Amino acid sequence: AQSVTQLDSHVSVSEGTPVLLRCNYSSSYSPSLFWYVQHPNKGLQLLLKYTSAATLVKGINGFEAEFKKSETSFHLTKPSAHMSDAAEYFCVVSDLGGGKLIFGQGTELSVKP
Amino acid sequence: GAVVSQHPSWVICKSGTSVKIECRSLDFQATTMFWYRQFPKQSLMLMATSNEGSKATYEQGVEKDKFLINHASLTLSTLTVTSAHPEDSSFYICSAGAGGIDTEAFFGQGTRLTVV
Repeated sequence: AQSVTQLDSHVSVSEGTPVLLRCNYSSSYSPSLFWYVQHPNKGLQLLLKYTSAATLVKGINGFEAEFKKSETSFHLTKPSAHMSDAAEYFCVVSDLGGGKLIFGQGTELSVKP
Repeated sequence: GAVVSQHPSWVICKSGTSVKIECRSLDFQATTMFWYRQFPKQSLMLMATSNEGSKATYEQGVEKDKFLINHASLTLSTLTVTSAHPEDSSFYICSAGAGGIDTEAFFGQGTRLTVV
């Protein structure tokens, strides 16, 4: 069975400093992995996805993630945080059937001025 | 990307009444849609998989008689919370995928349900 674990429930950074949101996954096959962002009382927006092509995936708004099979990790990074990045971030794995998603617990990102 | 529209965005209802939430794929056909529930400060939990033209598949612990799902067309799935109680208050989100093993799911805006 697939699962994802987000290692930090809350991350706080200062504006202009790097962001690192950690995610580990468990899967018995080569997974499809996603990062979604959710602003308060809003739906989810896809930041980026990994689907067995390049291991370094670039997404929107300057975010990127690196798939490391040996570490079963898919950490999300951004070189310089912006105030508008403050939101909830979810690491997600897709099952074999397509469409059914399994969510991590979420990481709340706070950005201080 | 594809657009999924969810309506209403928020609703307040009295205990004992029923509430219907709609999820529409606006520019693509979705044979399968998914309904999630999210409690405050928590992750999304899959409630059920809605299949066009057939019965929905519910996740363990989700009451099928309380959360009625209808997927009568390729662009519309509805979730009806029957005999709502305050503990049903939550944020409900639907999604539809374009299909395929590495599908991208497109999410509705979510519905904030408050039962008073």
